[in-house]
Amino acid sequence: AQSVTQPDIHITVSEGASLELRCNYSYGATPYLFWYVQSPGQGLQLLLKYFSGDTLVQGIKGFEAEFKRSQSSFNLRKPSVHWSDAAEYFCAVGAGGNEKLTFGTGTRLTIIP
Amino acid sequence: NAGVTQTPKFQVLKTGQSMTLQCAQDMNHEYMSWYRQDPGMGLRLIHYSVGAGITDQGEVPNGYNVSRSTTEDFPLRLLSAAPSQTSVYFCASSYLQGVKTEAFFGQGTRLTVV
Repeated sequence: AQSVTQPDIHITVSEGASLELRCNYSYGATPYLFWYVQSPGQGLQLLLKYFSGDTLVQGIKGFEAEFKRSQSSFNLRKPSVHWSDAAEYFCAVGAGGNEKLTFGTGTRLTIIP
Repeated sequence: NAGVTQTPKFQVLKTGQSMTLQCAQDMNHEYMSWYRQDPGMGLRLIHYSVGAGITDQGEVPNGYNVSRSTTEDFPLRLLSAAPSQTSVYFCASSYLQGVKTEAFFGQGTRLTVV
C-alpha cells in the first residue's frame, strides 16, 4: 500500500528566508507526486506535480521540488518565502488516473516578519 | 470554466439525518473521488469512480454511499449522519481520456453533525 510521510507538523520561517518541506513516500512502482497548498478555509491548489522525466520540477509561486528515487523523497523548496506563503502544505502520491491519492498529514507553515 | 463545483459549502445536520453532498465537474474528466479532511490526518479517500456506472470504496467508506450516473456528477450520500462524520469533504476529478492529469479539487463542504 502506498503511504506518504510529512515529518514536520509545523514550521516557522522568517520572511525572506529559504524553505524546505519534507515529504517521503512509499510506493511499489514509479509514483506520481504532488504538492498542494491550502489556505485557511479554502480548497487545495496544486503547486507542482511529477509524472516522469526531469527530477527537478518547477511550480507556481516560485516553488520547486526534487524527486529522489533513492531516498523516496519529494521535498518542496522555495528560496525566499513571502508572508502570503503562510498556509498548510500537503504532499500526495498517486498512480494511474490519480483517482486514489494518498496524502500526507500536512505541514503548517507560519511566516514571521 | 467552473472546474469542480461542490454544494453546499456549509451544512449542519442532526445525528441520524441523511443528506447528499453534490459534486459536479465540467472538464469531461473520467475519474472522480471523494475525500474527507480531518485535523492532523490529511485527506482520506472515501469513494471513487473511474467512469459512469463504476464506483469503488476507498480507505474510509463506512457510512457513505455514492453513485455515478453521468460523467459530470458524483454525489456523496450520508445515510444516517453521526458526529464522527463531522469533517470537511472534498470532491476531486482527474484523467481526461488517456491523458494523465492531476486531481482538481472543489472548494469543499464543511459538515457539522450535532
